[in-house]
Order: sequence, then C-alpha cells, then structure tokens
Amino acid sequence: GEDVEQSLFLSVREGDSSVINCTYTDSSSTYLYWYKQEPGAGLQLLTYIFSNMDMKQDQRLTVLLNKKDKHLSLRIADTQTGDSAIYFCAEKRPPGGGNKLTFGTGTQLKVEL
Amino acid sequence: DAGVTQSPTHLIKTRGQQVTLRCSPKSGHDTVSWYQQALGQGPQFIFQYYEEEERQRGNFPDRFSGHQFPNYSSELNVNALLLGDSALYLCASSSKWRAGDSYEQYFGPGTRLTVT
Repeated sequence: GEDVEQSLFLSVREGDSSVINCTYTDSSSTYLYWYKQEPGAGLQLLTYIFSNMDMKQDQRLTVLLNKKDKHLSLRIADTQTGDSAIYFCAEKRPPGGGNKLTFGTGTQLKVEL
Repeated sequence: DAGVTQSPTHLIKTRGQQVTLRCSPKSGHDTVSWYQQALGQGPQFIFQYYEEEERQRGNFPDRFSGHQFPNYSSELNVNALLLGDSALYLCASSSKWRAGDSYEQYFGPGTRLTVT
C-alpha cells in the first residue's frame, strides 16, 4: 500500500514494556525512524535504523526491523508516565529520494499508574 | 547549540490572506524541509531547500512556496489561504545533502496556523 500504517492507541501500566508497531510501504527504504510528539510540541527524533540492520538498541529503546514483512517496531522498556505521547514511524525511501520522510498517522501511548 | 527554531508560534489568518512562516536550522545544518501536520494526522512533506533552491516537492499546490537564504534559514509562504490550510507547520533541518543520503532530521516546535 501507499500508506505507512500504525495502530492508533496503546495503553500500558507504568513499569511495563510498550511495543509500538508500524508497517511501512517500500522494502527498499533506506532509513526508518521513530519520532515522539508531546501535546502542542514538535517532533523529537528518538532513534532510527538503517535498512541493513535487524535490531538497534539505545538505552530503554529497542528497534526491530523485519524487511521481508516491511514491519518495524519500537519497544520501550520500563515505561514511565513521561513516555505518554504520540509516536510516529517514518520511512526514507530509496537513495535519490532526497530528505522526504513519509510518516504514519501515529500511535498514542498512554501510560497508567 | 541551538536547535531548530521557528516563528511565530501561533498565527491566525483569514481566508484569502497570505502568510509567511520562518525557520532557522540547527547549527551546522544546511538543508531545510517543511511539513504540514493536520490535526490527528502525521506530517506531510511540502518541500525541501538546499543551496537556496527547491530540491524536492510533495503533493502541494503552487500556493505553497518557499525560499532559503544564504545563512540557510528558510521561509514558507502560503497564498490565498483556505480553511483547510489550518495545521501545524513543521520545519526540519539536516545536513550532508552532498553525500546524497542525509539521515538525521531534526524538527522545530512548529507554527500553529489557524485560518478563519
């Protein structure tokens, strides 16, 4: 399909792990990104993964990439209330595609006490 | 190290008017991209500027135009505003265009445009 797809909503308890999923569109996309957006704010770059990698870990964040299924996931360990936000995945399509990022519609993560 | 800055923060305009939004990229960055984020949606790519030229454009009408200055800052202009232009306008900066594949894009806080 043409759209980057994400589930709309995820609710977890504080201290649990969160897993946010994304299906992207182009199997030859070079970079895949996760951004965080808090209410009324811009986008914060959390992490990104190059397409020749399967996994990337950065402190509490783990990104898994399945190129065959065009599936990307973000795992947040020990989720805190400050992690409540909207999370966007984005893809950067093949080389020569400039800097254009194609975003999903976002997953709203709610962390409950 | 200053991040990406945008001005103004909020703006209210009337249908048919024109608006100019401004962006200063992160220090060391030379490429600016603009995105439109409608309420409840992900950002949509408008265009990208490098070396004072538009290098890539998304699916937006000619009413949307831009400019990049020698200091790498950029403006987004929207003419003949429509109600549907109400959105958060985000600027993103990056570098290494010459390498063909810059990979880190940092976003500013955005300008919230309301068209009445």
